[in-house]
Amino acid sequence: ETGVTQSPTHLIKTRGQQVTLRCSSQSGHNTVSWYQQALGQGPQFIFQYYREEENGRGNFPPRFSGLQFPNYSSELNVNALELDDSALYLCASSPSGGAYEQYFGPGTRLTVT
Amino acid sequence: SQELEQSPQSLIVQEGKNLTINCTSSKTLYGLYWYKQKYGEGLIFLMMLQKGGEEKSHEKITAKLDEKKQQSSLHITASQPSHAGIYLCGARNNNAGNMLTFGGGTRLMVKP
Repeated sequence: ETGVTQSPTHLIKTRGQQVTLRCSSQSGHNTVSWYQQALGQGPQFIFQYYREEENGRGNFPPRFSGLQFPNYSSELNVNALELDDSALYLCASSPSGGAYEQYFGPGTRLTVT
Repeated sequence: SQELEQSPQSLIVQEGKNLTINCTSSKTLYGLYWYKQKYGEGLIFLMMLQKGGEEKSHEKITAKLDEKKQQSSLHITASQPSHAGIYLCGARNNNAGNMLTFGGGTRLMVKP
């Protein structure tokens, strides 16, 4: 059974640029959630996708957007990058929404200069 | 919105000692997840608790959810250097979805 994978591992971007982060769900999981973790803090929920539809969104501006594909892999896109977007971005997959275990990927470290 | 507070924020223990980390919610918990994180890495799933009074164990780690479902504790018995890391509790925001709100984490160091 393949776990949750994310790419790239690290990324450096300049303020104002756009970035796309990718996540492959664990086999058999149809729900993907994205989280942002600033240094020294707990992860913050960005949004969740269930069967290719957005299923919930946290307190993040519209320049954070996402996609989920038919194979349940997912992308997180961030436009007009700001310095405060520098963080570890984590995706998590689960068999469905609701009372299921969530498994996290290793994360993508984004640095905005 | 739901808030989770973890205590202590950091902890240094001698190898072999027991320790407890607490997670307190401002609202009723629909589900409580415990994760461990090595610095800068992904979260490793430890346990999920749903029912009031529920207790689960894995190796030397035991987690409990109190009867009122507003507090959880994580207990490590006979700590080892491999237990070092950041422990995070995450709560489901409602009874329908599984979007999680996380506490700020407890940083554990185990001295050999």
